[in-house]
Amino acid sequence: EADIYQTPRYLVIGTGKKITLECSQTMGHDKMYWYQQDPGMELHLIHYSYGVNSTEKGDLSSESTVSRIRTEHFPLTLESARPSHTSQYLCASSDPVGRETQYFGPGTRLLVL
Amino acid sequence: QKEVEQDPGPLSVPEGAIVSLNCTYSNSAFQYFMWYRQYSRKGPELLMYTYSSGNKEDGRFTAQVDKSSKYISLFIRDSQPSDSATYLCAMSAINQGGKLIFGQGTELSVKP
Repeated sequence: EADIYQTPRYLVIGTGKKITLECSQTMGHDKMYWYQQDPGMELHLIHYSYGVNSTEKGDLSSESTVSRIRTEHFPLTLESARPSHTSQYLCASSDPVGRETQYFGPGTRLLVL
Repeated sequence: QKEVEQDPGPLSVPEGAIVSLNCTYSNSAFQYFMWYRQYSRKGPELLMYTYSSGNKEDGRFTAQVDKSSKYISLFIRDSQPSDSATYLCAMSAINQGGKLIFGQGTELSVKP
């Protein structure tokens, strides 16, 4: 089982609040990713990072931001949560040596009221 | 049109059945092909990985890639209730920076 952790697992919050979803991995992977997944829908890449101080926006437009100041840590922040942000957020990391396989955390289920 | 198409199901089979899950894709540059299993309220876990064309077997699971038809399959033999989950195909091209394109996922239920 991959050593990638996400907190909180579940979050219910009011509109307008600032939230940070935490993601940490202990595998020393350089590449990390954030996905958004709605029920019955495919995973959409919203942010990715190839290493410290590297962040890029993914294929799905998102109002969230990310930072990568340590290899093992890749937090995602929403400055002002809205009901449209209600979703499951999945963090992943991958070994840079070949294969391109990604290992996922357990996810954070976010509900914005 | 989506780059990767996957029948969302749901698919319900009796225990012991052979299950066939499939994805089609449009990008001929895809070289890495994966199947993930996702249990309810969990993150996806890597089940099978195949590079380029061919078959790969791991226990009750067999992954097939047919690049000429742009079609990949996952077969589950002697299916068990514990196989009930959503199965996601994913693929990537060389020099795509490790970014994966996922199918919509097929929800599988194996009834005892």
